[in-house]
Amino acid sequence: DAGITQSPRYKITETGRQVTLMCHQTWSHSYMFWYRQDLGHGLRLIYYSAAADITDKGEVPDGYVVSRSKTENFPLTLESATRSQTSVYFCASTTANIEKLFFGSGTQLSVL
Amino acid sequence: GESVGLHLPTLSVQEGDNSIINCAYSNSASDYFIWYKQESGKGPQFIIDIRSNMDKRQGQRVTVLLNKTVKHLSLQIAATQPGDSAVYFCAENRNGGFKTIFGAGTRLFVKA
Repeated sequence: DAGITQSPRYKITETGRQVTLMCHQTWSHSYMFWYRQDLGHGLRLIYYSAAADITDKGEVPDGYVVSRSKTENFPLTLESATRSQTSVYFCASTTANIEKLFFGSGTQLSVL
Repeated sequence: GESVGLHLPTLSVQEGDNSIINCAYSNSASDYFIWYKQESGKGPQFIIDIRSNMDKRQGQRVTVLLNKTVKHLSLQIAATQPGDSAVYFCAENRNGGFKTIFGAGTRLFVKA
């Protein structure tokens, strides 16, 4: 049972570069989410998806793009990375009831 | 890597003692509450949940209490063990709502 996996685990990039963080889940969960976790801000929702080809903005969507062509994948792209996007990014999924979330192990992103 | 805020409320307990972690939630319309545990370098992990039609729910060594009158949630951990050292987050949700709101978290230290 692989669950939910994120890659890469660590990423260092430079300002202005495009970066894509990957998220894959094996449970066929309807909902998938991207959160960022920062000092002093806790977990903040970036984007979420209710199903394949259905995505919507969360609390802090600016500078990010998502897609969901398949139920199991939900990549997050930083189109032009900025230092303020240095953070730990967590992908999560849940069933259509939107109850407890299942989180991946996170991607620690540093933008230099 | 460590990503949670350095200024989190902290609770330090002796191994074997009981721990009580408190949380105030914000939305009186929230009807589903969850506690998550986050160990260093990992994603949040579900511990226990409770719906608003209950005021207490017990799991293995953990109990969640809900006081809707004062919008307060608590997590009790019995016979705290070193493996319980982590950051604990409460979270709230409205039934069917896409957005789970996370609290700031409490860091639990267990002294051997």
